[in-house]
Amino acid sequence: HLHESGPGLLKPSETLSLTCTVSGGYISDKDHYWAWIRQSPGKGLEWIGTIYFSGTTYYNLPLTSRVTISLDTSKNEFFLTVTSVTAADMAIYYCARSSILYPLGPHFDFWGQGARVTVSS
Amino acid sequence: DLTQPPSVSVSPGQTANISCSGDILGVGHKYAAWYQQRPGHSPVLVIYQHHKRPSGIPERFSGSTSGNTATLTITGTQVMDEADYFCQAWDRGTVIFGGGTSLTVL
Repeated sequence: HLHESGPGLLKPSETLSLTCTVSGGYISDKDHYWAWIRQSPGKGLEWIGTIYFSGTTYYNLPLTSRVTISLDTSKNEFFLTVTSVTAADMAIYYCARSSILYPLGPHFDFWGQGARVTVSS
Repeated sequence: DLTQPPSVSVSPGQTANISCSGDILGVGHKYAAWYQQRPGHSPVLVIYQHHKRPSGIPERFSGSTSGNTATLTITGTQVMDEADYFCQAWDRGTVIFGGGTSLTVL
């Protein structure tokens, strides 16, 4: 299971911080990666980034300058930070378990229930 | 980019085909995955690596590919299959999703 947590309401220019708590498995598992994906209201899915237990990260290029993904293996948690949020960052944020990236590309086999984030002044 | 039809409609018991087209799907080992998302729920993986089905996914879900198009097929569609379906692939270090297809079963 994966469970997202964090503040649901932010003001423009603030920093979004979300935590994904993993249970029933370990983020130190060498056979999986861990990802953040978001879904804007009424729209499709957008990959934010992925992290491996070693700390290696992969980010969606348009978000790279504002996004940081990190992890804490002792707590079996990984984290998302998005700086300088705007209304365009309003979405449901999902954490998910990913298969290995290479050579076949990843797929996401377990998802959290999602955390709704609103940006409003 | 991955292009999906915005909507597909089928009657119960019929076969639904949802396409996903993109140049990346025709290149080497670039596999598609498919997700089902019912309203108010998180996405669920139904097909990965073009045609593999995760444990617990009914056999009526299948995947195939031809050229630069991947297809999700639901054989004997049930009312409970009514949902949005998204395809997903991996291109040059980036995960990309299709825009989604709304499947109506009526």
